[in-house]
Amino acid sequence: AQSVAQPEDQVKVAEGNPLTVKCTYSVSGNPYLFWYVQYPNRGLQFLLKYITGDNLVKGSYGFEAEFNKSQTSFHLKKPSALVSDSALYFCAVRDIGISGGYNKLIFGAGTRLAVHP
Amino acid sequence: DAGVIQSPRHEVTEMGQEVTLRCKPISGHNSLFWYRQTMMRGLELLIYFNNNVPIDDSGMPEDRFSAKMPNASFSTLKIQPSEPRDSAVYFCASSFGTVNNANTGELFFGEGSRLTVL
Repeated sequence: AQSVAQPEDQVKVAEGNPLTVKCTYSVSGNPYLFWYVQYPNRGLQFLLKYITGDNLVKGSYGFEAEFNKSQTSFHLKKPSALVSDSALYFCAVRDIGISGGYNKLIFGAGTRLAVHP
Repeated sequence: DAGVIQSPRHEVTEMGQEVTLRCKPISGHNSLFWYRQTMMRGLELLIYFNNNVPIDDSGMPEDRFSAKMPNASFSTLKIQPSEPRDSAVYFCASSFGTVNNANTGELFFGEGSRLTVL
């Protein structure tokens, strides 16, 4: 079965510093990987995805993620954190157990990012 | 584009009462998902539909939960009877997917329905 793991419940960084939110995956076949962000009292918003091609994927709000097949990782990164980046971040993998483009996603437990001034 | 619309945003009810949550997906999307979010269990996929047909309901916790999608623009999640442990935020999401897997579109989430069962 497809799964993702987010090893950190919380990540704290100072504004202006680089940030990394970790994600590892376990899939059979080629992984389709996603990052979503959730601000307080809001639904999840899509940030970026890796399907194929370049291992460095760029997304919304200056975020990027690096796909590493040998380490089965898909860490989310940003060169310079903002206080407004404080939110809950979810890594997700597409479940391809059923044929067809149903886009069923399996989410990790989430990592709370806190950026302090 | 109005996005995925969920109602009600907040619902407080007493144990044993019936609860109905509603969702209007984005026009043109053919897949619809119901998720539940709690502190203890995180995000759980309850059920999803493709072209109004339920594909996988293995995440529905028990028979008290039921979901319908009578047409492409409307879905309901019903809990009857409700229990305090059903308290959670329920999210609806929609996306567009094609049979040949060529489309790997992301999910678009609604703002959620926060349910409190006393």
